[in-house]
Amino acid sequence: EAGVAQSPRYKIIEKRQSVAFWCNPISGHATLYWYQQILGQGPKLLIQFQNNGVVDDSQLPKDRFSAERLKGVDSTLKIQPAKLEDSAVYLCASSRDFHYEQYFGPGTRLTVT
Amino acid sequence: LAKTTQPISMDSYEGQEVNITCSHNNIATNDYITWYQQFPSQGPRFIIQGYKTKVTNEVASLFIPADRKSSTLSLPRVSLSDTAVYYCLVGDGNNAGNMLTFGGGTRLMVKP
Repeated sequence: EAGVAQSPRYKIIEKRQSVAFWCNPISGHATLYWYQQILGQGPKLLIQFQNNGVVDDSQLPKDRFSAERLKGVDSTLKIQPAKLEDSAVYLCASSRDFHYEQYFGPGTRLTVT
Repeated sequence: LAKTTQPISMDSYEGQEVNITCSHNNIATNDYITWYQQFPSQGPRFIIQGYKTKVTNEVASLFIPADRKSSTLSLPRVSLSDTAVYYCLVGDGNNAGNMLTFGGGTRLMVKP
């Protein structure tokens, strides 16, 4: 089966600009996650969707980050405006349901200058 | 919030068994324990998951004591390709407030 797809793979923007990331999960997976991974640290969960509803977004900086999951399938994560500290790899993962193993995409490496 | 603690790094040699322990003192009743492996420039990859006692698959074993306050990932006969960061993840992911939390990870270096 096809894995989790993410685009773009790399993005360089200036601070205060906006950026969007796209994720296509594995077909049939009900749960979708967005993580932020800063260099040298473990992934930090930003938001978790169950189908098209939000389960947890307690660590999402809602003043600048937003996410949606269209029709319970694809998802986009947006940052507006970006700050220097947003430089990180943004990982999307999906799972069959909430406590099943997660399958991760390759990530998008964001550099904010 | 089930915070996890792991050793920052470990060294081993090819052919040895490696045991990595994760502490999760305030694990909740519904929480599962999951281990992931991550290579540079890649997303984490699932290794094994358990709730209690022992779980074994083709690549690893997971030992969970009765109090569930810790867990040990056992990798038999490691090879150079097992050099990676290993993360312990605790949570059930089924409700807000019990979010999935990755630890800081253990950087395993396998030497020839």
